[in-house]
Amino acid sequence: QKEVEQDPGPLSVPEGAIVSLNCTYSNSAFQYFMWYRQYSRKGPELLMYTYSSGNKEDGRFTAQVDKSSKYISLFIRDSQPSDSATYLCAMSGSARQLTFGSGTQLTVLP
Amino acid sequence: DSGVTQTPKHLITATGQRVTLRCSPRSGDLSVYWYQQSLDQGLQFLIQYYNGEERAKGNILERFSAQQFPDLHSELNLSSLELGDSALYFCASSAYSNQPQHFGDGTRLSIL
Repeated sequence: QKEVEQDPGPLSVPEGAIVSLNCTYSNSAFQYFMWYRQYSRKGPELLMYTYSSGNKEDGRFTAQVDKSSKYISLFIRDSQPSDSATYLCAMSGSARQLTFGSGTQLTVLP
Repeated sequence: DSGVTQTPKHLITATGQRVTLRCSPRSGDLSVYWYQQSLDQGLQFLIQYYNGEERAKGNILERFSAQQFPDLHSELNLSSLELGDSALYFCASSAYSNQPQHFGDGTRLSIL
């Protein structure tokens, strides 16, 4: 079993929809939780970085962490065609190297 | 633009060869990380350096090595290359080990 599980999709939604992306994890030592966006032929771009359980909002993006359930989510409101990309969850513990989910491929249709 | 620069963007070489990938971290970042991204394994951590010293090792093969120089740039050396080493290699940097990591655009390595 992988330490981080992420639904690979692909996920296709109409423009303006609310998108929900999710990851589950098994390692209780994970303390830091991140979401990255990766466009084709580009490196992962940091979207959200959280430490504790709860919600964190940044513009159209909301990251949610539930440590008791070992579950994290990313919500994208008013999705745009430019949001079409692969979304990667990542997490780390006291050792700072990141453990990534497999990524969810999102397409927002105009 | 993340501020992390990786060169070259593409490398095509043959089995048995040796290559060097280069990474310049964001200005002021002391920590450098190397990751490998392949279709079957996803993004996997290889190795971390902090201010010139190795800090952590992940799934890095013995044929691979890295170093971080006094000017903080880092190099990843891959030797005795095999077909299975074909992948995207990413460098990331952070100010300190507990800060978020920012990634470069990677080097695409193709082994023929």
